[in-house]
Amino acid sequence: AQSVTQPDIHITVSEGASLELRCNYSYGATPYLFWYVQSPGQGLQLLLKYFSGDTLVQGIKGFEAEFKRSQSSFNLRKPSVHWSDAAEYFCAVGSGNTPLVFGKGTRLSVIA
Amino acid sequence: GAGVSQSPSNKVTEKGKDVELRCDPISGHTALYWYRQSLGQGLEFLIYFQGNSAPDKSGLPSDRFSAERTGGSVSTLTIQRTQQEDSAVYLCASTNPGRGETQYFGPGTRLLVL
Repeated sequence: AQSVTQPDIHITVSEGASLELRCNYSYGATPYLFWYVQSPGQGLQLLLKYFSGDTLVQGIKGFEAEFKRSQSSFNLRKPSVHWSDAAEYFCAVGSGNTPLVFGKGTRLSVIA
Repeated sequence: GAGVSQSPSNKVTEKGKDVELRCDPISGHTALYWYRQSLGQGLEFLIYFQGNSAPDKSGLPSDRFSAERTGGSVSTLTIQRTQQEDSAVYLCASTNPGRGETQYFGPGTRLLVL
């Protein structure tokens, strides 16, 4: 069965600290992988995506993610978190023109 | 428009009433998806349109839910005889297959059934 696991429901980091959000997936075909961010009351904004090629992908707002096929992971990272990064982050997997399967999300809080 | 739009942004209704939720996809996007986001359930797929056809309706939770798409553009999600468990945020996404497969999401409709 297709599934996405985000093990951390809630993470709190200090402003300026580094961040890593974990994502593991189970998918039968070659996966397309996505990270979306959702601010309160807003829709989902795409941060970055992986389809093929270089396994380290760069996204908006200084985020990056690394695809590791052997670990079925697609962890999101940022070297220095800003207060405006506080939001909910969703990892998703799909394959071409198919519905996305989402993880349950990780809520990020940023403290001064 | 520049992005996916949805209306209304908020809807409060009484149990048993019917509601219609609207999605305007990005111009030219042939594929359209409806998802539901509820507390404790995360984001769940409801239905997928390619053009005006719906090849995948597997996520619709009951026969009270239906959707249509006309002119390959606007889509309407209808919930009949609403129940309190239908309370959720309903998100619409569109994509242009073959152009990176990225789904672009609208802001959602927040539905509250009293």
